[in-house]
Amino acid sequence: DGGITQSPKYLFRKEGQNVTLSCEQNLNHDAMYWYRQDPGQGLRLIYYSQIVNDFQKGDIAEGYSVSREKKESFPLTVTSAQKNPTAFYLCASSVNRDTGWPQHFGDGTRLSIL
Amino acid sequence: AQSVTQLDSQVPVFEEAPVELRCNYSSSVSVYLFWYVQYPNQGLQLLLKYLSGSTLVESINGFEAEFNKSQTSFHLRKPSVHISDTAEYFCAVSDTQTGSARQLTFGSGTQLTVLP
Repeated sequence: DGGITQSPKYLFRKEGQNVTLSCEQNLNHDAMYWYRQDPGQGLRLIYYSQIVNDFQKGDIAEGYSVSREKKESFPLTVTSAQKNPTAFYLCASSVNRDTGWPQHFGDGTRLSIL
Repeated sequence: AQSVTQLDSQVPVFEEAPVELRCNYSSSVSVYLFWYVQYPNQGLQLLLKYLSGSTLVESINGFEAEFNKSQTSFHLRKPSVHISDTAEYFCAVSDTQTGSARQLTFGSGTQLTVLP
């Protein structure tokens, strides 16, 4: 079945450490997104990519970085500059760059600080 | 820029009763509107969307939402809920202008709890 796979499901970060969250899709979708979800705040856009080798900052990109070297993959790195990284991270995709809204979501990665 | 207000953070309702989850938005331009549902420890699923045409849109599992431009609302309704409808529901808005439609603005969510 086609879908989005996020790994790991749970991740722990030590102070000063960078961690990378994986997002892979086999839907042949052009656009991919990373959202952060905090309780009571809905979802906020971190980064999005409409095409391979191109990505744009969202509303809360500080302390995060991404790459889009392959159509299927859009990994997110949470750097040590992100001072409050504890959250639920969701990756999403949409069929083409002009669709605009995410149509499929992964099951998320829950990141916590040790 | 747009904003979305979901007026109720928690909605408890008994099984087989009707429910309405309220969503109001603010935007200076034309919008697309969406409802997503999230079950515990999962990602979001697109429930229904309004892009154009009929202001009443329906999902396959009995939910419907009506776009009301004058009241800037997109409330979600179901005439009879089931235990399995227990989840968090998010309203979202996107403007229709090419080049910026990719950024959804989400509401803070409404937790629907269906009681036996």
